[in-house]
Amino acid sequence: QQQVKQSPQSLIVQKGGISIINCAYENTAFDYFPWYQQFPGKGPALLIAIRPDVSEKKEGRFTISFNKSAKQFSLHIMDSQPGDSATYFCAASKRGSTLGRLYFGRGTQLTVWP
Amino acid sequence: AAGVIQSPRHLIKEKRETATLKCYPIPRHDTVYWYQQGPGQDPQFLISFYEKMQSDKGSIPDRFSAQQFSDYHSELNMSSLELGDSALYFCASTLGGYSYEQYFGPGTRLTVT
Repeated sequence: QQQVKQSPQSLIVQKGGISIINCAYENTAFDYFPWYQQFPGKGPALLIAIRPDVSEKKEGRFTISFNKSAKQFSLHIMDSQPGDSATYFCAASKRGSTLGRLYFGRGTQLTVWP
Repeated sequence: AAGVIQSPRHLIKEKRETATLKCYPIPRHDTVYWYQQGPGQDPQFLISFYEKMQSDKGSIPDRFSAQQFSDYHSELNMSSLELGDSALYFCASTLGGYSYEQYFGPGTRLTVT
């Protein structure tokens, strides 16, 4: 059972456009929501993350929007560039004795056309 | 900045053989996680260690075992390898009592023939 649902599966955006990827979760115990960027054959790289006590976090061209009541969060990539073409994974974790294993969404393959 | 180191980067084994994957966390990180990623799949959690003790266990087959050593490096031992074990294996590390952020290594690509 996928604990974090991610959409779309693939996304094509023109250079300079906005890329939007959405995720939803059910487990209200989750308290940390990171986004990872992965290039083929490489390890996932932490891009940006948010805690549920804030509704938005921005780092450069990347913004996470978080809706606690709807149990949804999304990644916005402004001014998308060809170098942003990669697979993006949302994830969630909860603290406690297990120390936060990550539950990943199925990933979104982003292609940015020049 | 120092990153997570994994070795070997590539490994080819035959069915029923054994394999050992090694992970060296970022300096001062005391928590290690192992994930398995099949082709076109999301990473799946296998097992984690905090301060040399197993802290959580996921969908890790009984044929696999792991441990964390006194220098915090970790090894994933895989026995009786099956074709379905072919995947990318990632190690991630964090400062367990203080941080949520997990930093991933470059992975080990295991191919079982």
